[in-house]
Amino acid sequence: NAGVMQNPRHLVRRRGQEARLRCSPMKGHSHVYWYRQLPEEGLKFMVYLQKENIIDESGMPKERFSAEFPKEGPSILRIQQVVRGDSAAYFCASSPGIGTGELFFGEGSRLTVL
Amino acid sequence: AQSVAQPEDQVNVAEGNPLTVKCTYSVSGNPYLFWYVQYPNRGLQFLLKYITGDNLVKGSYGFEAEFNKSQTSFHLKKPSALVSDSALYFCAVRDTYRGSQGNLIFGKGTKLSVKP
Repeated sequence: NAGVMQNPRHLVRRRGQEARLRCSPMKGHSHVYWYRQLPEEGLKFMVYLQKENIIDESGMPKERFSAEFPKEGPSILRIQQVVRGDSAAYFCASSPGIGTGELFFGEGSRLTVL
Repeated sequence: AQSVAQPEDQVNVAEGNPLTVKCTYSVSGNPYLFWYVQYPNRGLQFLLKYITGDNLVKGSYGFEAEFNKSQTSFHLKKPSALVSDSALYFCAVRDTYRGSQGNLIFGKGTKLSVKP
C-alpha cells in the first residue's frame, strides 16, 4: 500500500499522559501536513513540515504540542500532558511538493483522553 | 483573511435526483479549489480540483464542480445521486498567505444524505 500510513488508528490516554502519533507519507512525498478534526467541526490546520524542517506551525497550540519530520522515519505529532480537550481525530496528509495541488490523506488517528 | 464557507450543514436528496453542495471562498489572488469526501471513521478522499482552465471540472464518482469567479463559488454537483454518496463533503482552498503555499484551508463540511 503506497498510501499515507498513520498509526495508531486509535489511542486512549489518561489526562497527563503523552500521546505520539506517527505518519509515513506516500512514497516520493517530502511534504507533510497535520490537521485536527474535532467532533462536528471541519479540519483545522496544525503544522506543515518538510524533511527536518518545520515550515509553518501557525496552527499548533503554543504549549504541549510539537511535531517533527526527521531525515529518516515517519513524521511524529507529540502531545504532552494530554487533556480531555485534546480528544479528536488527527489527520496527516502528504504531497510531493508545492504546485501539485491536492493533498493525500491518511486514515487518521483518533485520540481519546479519559 | 482567506476562508471557505459551506453554508449548509446538511443536504438531503432523494436517490436519482441531482445534488448540489455549496461552497464559497475568499482568497487573495487566483484560487486553487478542491473538494474532498469523508466516509465515517475514514480519511479524506480527493474528488476534484480547479486550478485554471474550464470552469466546469469533472472528478471522481461522477461528481463535477463549477467555478464561478464573479460569485466566488465552487459548488459541487452530481446529476443523479446514489445512496452510497452519503458522506461528509469538504470544500478547500489553498492557502497562499504567509508563504504556506501547500496547506489547504477547509470549510466546516456538509453532510450529504441520500435516501432511497
